[in-house]
Amino acid sequence: NAGVTQTPKFQVLKTGQSMTLQCAQDMNHEYMSWYRQDPGMGLRLIHYSVGAGITDQGEVPNGYNVSRSTTEDFPLRLLSAAPSQTSVYFCASSYSGGSSYNSPLHFGNGTRLTVT
Amino acid sequence: GDSVTQMEGPVTLSEEAFLTINCTYTATGYPSLFWYVQYPGEGLQLLLKATKADDKGSNKGFEATYRKETTSFHLEKGSVQVSDSAVYFCALNYGGSQGNLIFGKGTKLSVKP
Repeated sequence: NAGVTQTPKFQVLKTGQSMTLQCAQDMNHEYMSWYRQDPGMGLRLIHYSVGAGITDQGEVPNGYNVSRSTTEDFPLRLLSAAPSQTSVYFCASSYSGGSSYNSPLHFGNGTRLTVT
Repeated sequence: GDSVTQMEGPVTLSEEAFLTINCTYTATGYPSLFWYVQYPGEGLQLLLKATKADDKGSNKGFEATYRKETTSFHLEKGSVQVSDSAVYFCALNYGGSQGNLIFGKGTKLSVKP
């Protein structure tokens, strides 16, 4: 069981470039989310989705787009990369059902992004 | 708004020492509380959780008790090992949006042999 798979593991971009961080899960989880992790800031929610075709903004959505065309995939798009987007990005998913309120998140291993 | 505050790190302990990492929260409702652990180079993993007041979560020798009266969820372990070296995150799940967690800033633990 692969769980949550993120690609790539590392990426270097120049300011103004665009790219897509990929996230896929094979647990049939309805809920998926993207966090960024910065030193001294903990994890901050960028965008999340409660099911295919449904997305919503988190705490720090500016500069990022998401879509959810399938249950399995939840890509994160950087439209025009900026140095402030240098971070480690984590995708996470959880089961959505009657007890989804209490279901834990399953995290991928992260993508380390550097914008120069 | 809802928030989580955990003790600043890093924390350095000798093997077999007692560990406490403090976590307090602010929430308008009755959140579920979690501790997640992040080992070097990996994503976060759920360590333990508690869903209501006075619940005790436990796993791998770690424990935390949901204290509503002090709004706390402190992580404890009686005897740490080198393999416990990691970053520990306290988090709460508020009911407004399913699955959305608010994380503390993390506490890095280093255990020396």
